[in-house]
Amino acid sequence: DAKTTQPPSMDCAEGRAANLPCNHSTISGNEYVYWYRQIHSQGPQYIIHGLKNNETNEMASLIITEDRKSSTLILPHATLRDTAVYYCIVRVPNRDDKIIFGKGTRLHILP
Amino acid sequence: DGGITQSPKYLFRKEGQNVTLSCEQNLNHDAMYWYRQDPGQGLRLIYYSQIVNDFQKGDIAEGYSVSREKKESFPLTVTSAQKNPTAFYLCASRLRTDTGELFFGEGSRLTVL
Repeated sequence: DAKTTQPPSMDCAEGRAANLPCNHSTISGNEYVYWYRQIHSQGPQYIIHGLKNNETNEMASLIITEDRKSSTLILPHATLRDTAVYYCIVRVPNRDDKIIFGKGTRLHILP
Repeated sequence: DGGITQSPKYLFRKEGQNVTLSCEQNLNHDAMYWYRQDPGQGLRLIYYSQIVNDFQKGDIAEGYSVSREKKESFPLTVTSAQKNPTAFYLCASRLRTDTGELFFGEGSRLTVL
C-alpha cells in the first residue's frame, strides 16, 4: 500500500499559487519525499524531492513540516499546462526498489 | 538522446492472445519497472527488476511475465491468464544511487477486444 494520502482533486485559478498537500504520518527517518506529475495520457515526470529541508527548483517548491509527517508542493504561478495528476511518494533513495504510487491529486487549473 | 522507449504506443489484440510490450532504455539505469494504469486511477506496480537476470513481483503480477536478459531491456508479456488486460502500461527506470528518481516512457495502450 502507498504510504501517503492526498486529496483526490483540487482546483486553482490560473496565475495563483497551487498548494498540493500530502500526508505521510508513518515516514521513517531516512525516507525522502518525492513528487511526480502526470499530464493526461503521458508518462509521469519527476518534479522534486526532499528529506527535511525545504527545496526549490525551476518547477516547484517543496515544504516539509518539522515533524516530517506532511508536506506541500507549491507551484508558484500555476498555468493551464500544470493541469495534471500529482503523486507524492516516500522512499529511501538508493535502497527502496519497490516503488508504490498512490492515487494522487488531480489538479485543475481554471482560466 | 537518452531516454526510455516503449512500443507499440497502441495495441489491439483478441481475447486469449498473449501480447508482449517492449521497453528499452539507453540511460544506463540499473532498475526497471512496469506499472499498469486504469482510467482515472493511479499507477499499480506489476514487476520490477534491480539488476540483469533478476526481477520481483509487484502488487498485481498475476497474468503477467517479464524478463531482464539485458540491462537496457525489460519486456512485459500480458498473458491470456490476465483477466482484464485492457489498460495503459508504463515502463520506468532509475539509477540505484543518489536521488534515484524514476524516468518514465510514454506508455503503451493495450485494448483487448
